[in-house]
Amino acid sequence: EPEVTQTPSHQVTQMGQEVILRCVPISNHLYFYWYRQILGQKVEFLVSFYNNEISEKSEIFDDQFSVERPDGSNFTLKIRSTKLEDSAMYFCASSGIYNEQFFGPGTRLTVL
Amino acid sequence: AQSVTQPDIHITVSEGASLELRCNYSYGATPYLFWYVQSPGQGLQLLLKYFSGDTLVQGIKGFEAEFKRSQSSFNLRKPSVHWSDAAEYFCAVVPYSGGGADGLTFGKGTHLIIQP
Repeated sequence: EPEVTQTPSHQVTQMGQEVILRCVPISNHLYFYWYRQILGQKVEFLVSFYNNEISEKSEIFDDQFSVERPDGSNFTLKIRSTKLEDSAMYFCASSGIYNEQFFGPGTRLTVL
Repeated sequence: AQSVTQPDIHITVSEGASLELRCNYSYGATPYLFWYVQSPGQGLQLLLKYFSGDTLVQGIKGFEAEFKRSQSSFNLRKPSVHWSDAAEYFCAVVPYSGGGADGLTFGKGTHLIIQP
């Protein structure tokens, strides 16, 4: 059964450093998403991506965040200068045309 | 803006007993509705979804949910829980837009504890 994969599973970084989180969506899906979940809190939408551009973004997705689909399979989230409050689980998701979103296992980001 | 309320933060159920997890949404029109389950340290697994049609939908692992438009609710049920059902359950909505790209709005989740 096709699934969304994410790497790495855990990333530890120093405050101010750049991180890139990687995702491989389900191959025939058209829409890609990033969400985050701060420990003990609900899952929050960050951004959606379609046809090589951002479709929608939340107020959380400020200028320090960017997304890219560098090739036909990968979808990345970059955080330019990490802050302590960026520590969270980051989930990638993908969907077909009916917005049935399938999630990856997540990347736990720890900012020290 | 749409919102999702899961009024129960924790629910404890005995193994073999029935379960109902509540979800209410606030939105101007009927959205698409989802239930996801998250086991400790794991990602989110889609249990079931409602797009249109029959208001009682069946999902994986023996779960079902009923959409009640008049109550803006989408409660999740299971007739007999198993110890492996212990997890965090999230209700989520997305606007009905006829296509993708809209982000899901999640509730805060209900933590299900199963007593032996």
